[in-house]
Amino acid sequence: QVQLVESGGGVVQPGRSLRLSCAASGFTFRSYGMHWVRQAPGKGLEWVAIISKDESDKHYADSVKGRFTISRDNSKNTLYLQMNSLRVEDTAVYYCAKDRSNSWTLEYWGQGTLVTVSS
Amino acid sequence: QSALTQPASVSGSPGQSITISCTGTSSDVGGYNYVSWYQQHPGKAPKLMIYEVSNRPSGVPDRFSGSKSGNTASLTISGLQAEDEAEYYCSSYTTYSTWVFGGGTRLTVL
Repeated sequence: QVQLVESGGGVVQPGRSLRLSCAASGFTFRSYGMHWVRQAPGKGLEWVAIISKDESDKHYADSVKGRFTISRDNSKNTLYLQMNSLRVEDTAVYYCAKDRSNSWTLEYWGQGTLVTVSS
Repeated sequence: QSALTQPASVSGSPGQSITISCTGTSSDVGGYNYVSWYQQHPGKAPKLMIYEVSNRPSGVPDRFSGSKSGNTASLTISGLQAEDEAEYYCSSYTTYSTWVFGGGTRLTVL
């Protein structure tokens, strides 16, 4: 069965960097696009970024463009999110999600990792 | 990209039907049949309930159905059950090659 396990969250000061990872199993990772979505405490879902299966195409939400970078290592079945110049408003649970082929749908989600940006 | 518009809350009694609306623009909901719905219980990850406007993934009860008219999509849950009580989010692919979510709707089963 599909399993997505996020890691790398924690407490970080404003302006610093953090890298999240998402380990995938139970499907052919290299064949699917992957997303990051976040949810601030007590708030709704916010889409963050998508990367195509071969890393050739990436898109970002305006709120993170220029600060966050999505990447993947298909040899390690792992998705990454490099977060630079972090702001207090980036505090959230970050989820990775598998895209459903040819459907532009976030099909399966991990359990999330909490990032807290605070001085 | 503005969030899609959902009612903050809806409620219904067991066995009844409820409908949650999701209003966007011609750049998202109205422009593509890539609307999906997610169920989220407190402290849990979202779960896909409907994709491509009206399709149910394997394992999702047929009490859940979706539709779309113009810039508004809808999720209908018939035969409400206690376990349906959760937060529901709509989402759409957009013309900017991004995705946008609704603000979420809290479903209370009375």
